[in-house]
Amino acid sequence: DGGITQSPKYLFRKEGQNVTLSCEQNLNHDAMYWYRQDPGQGLRLIYYSQIVNDFQKGDIAEGYSVSREKKESFPLTVTSAQKNPTAFYLCASSIDAGWNEKLFFGSGTQLSVL
Amino acid sequence: SQKIEQNSEALNIQEGKTATLTCNYTNYSPAYLQWYRQDPGRGPVFLLLIRENEKEKRKERLKVTFDTTLKQSLFHITASQPADSATYLCALDMSGNQGGKLIFGQGTELSVKP
Repeated sequence: DGGITQSPKYLFRKEGQNVTLSCEQNLNHDAMYWYRQDPGQGLRLIYYSQIVNDFQKGDIAEGYSVSREKKESFPLTVTSAQKNPTAFYLCASSIDAGWNEKLFFGSGTQLSVL
Repeated sequence: SQKIEQNSEALNIQEGKTATLTCNYTNYSPAYLQWYRQDPGRGPVFLLLIRENEKEKRKERLKVTFDTTLKQSLFHITASQPADSATYLCALDMSGNQGGKLIFGQGTELSVKP
């Protein structure tokens, strides 16, 4: 089945630790995105990538980093510089970065701080 | 900056009734607007897209309207069922020529009682 796979489902971070969230898609989509969701708030864009080996900062990129070495993969690293990392993280993809394309989302990763 | 407002309070309705959810935005009108459904602990799922030159769009029991004068979109679910209970998100494009950068509302939680 085609889709987006995020792992792990739950992740715990210790203070000062970097953690990496995985996102893989087999939809052959060019564009991929990372959003952060906090209770009672809308999804906020962290980073997006329109093509392999290229990515752009979203609205809340500070404390996060990404890479796009393969079309299928767009991992997100939450660094120790992100002081409030507890949130639900969603990865998404679209056929391309055209402004009228719908997004396909993964099932999310809940990150908590120990 | 562009802001999106959805009903912050949960909407509770009886099975068989029509649910109407509101999405209001400020500033410039987007070229298109999307609606998504999100179940607890899951990623959003795309439902409908409506363009600025389309006043209304339907899909089975779903109907979306787009009024650029009022800067508002309405999302209707007719003959509602308990299985329709979820959070519904609206999303607008940030800029028509930059692609893929959607901004999301905080969502409205719908509960359909049998």
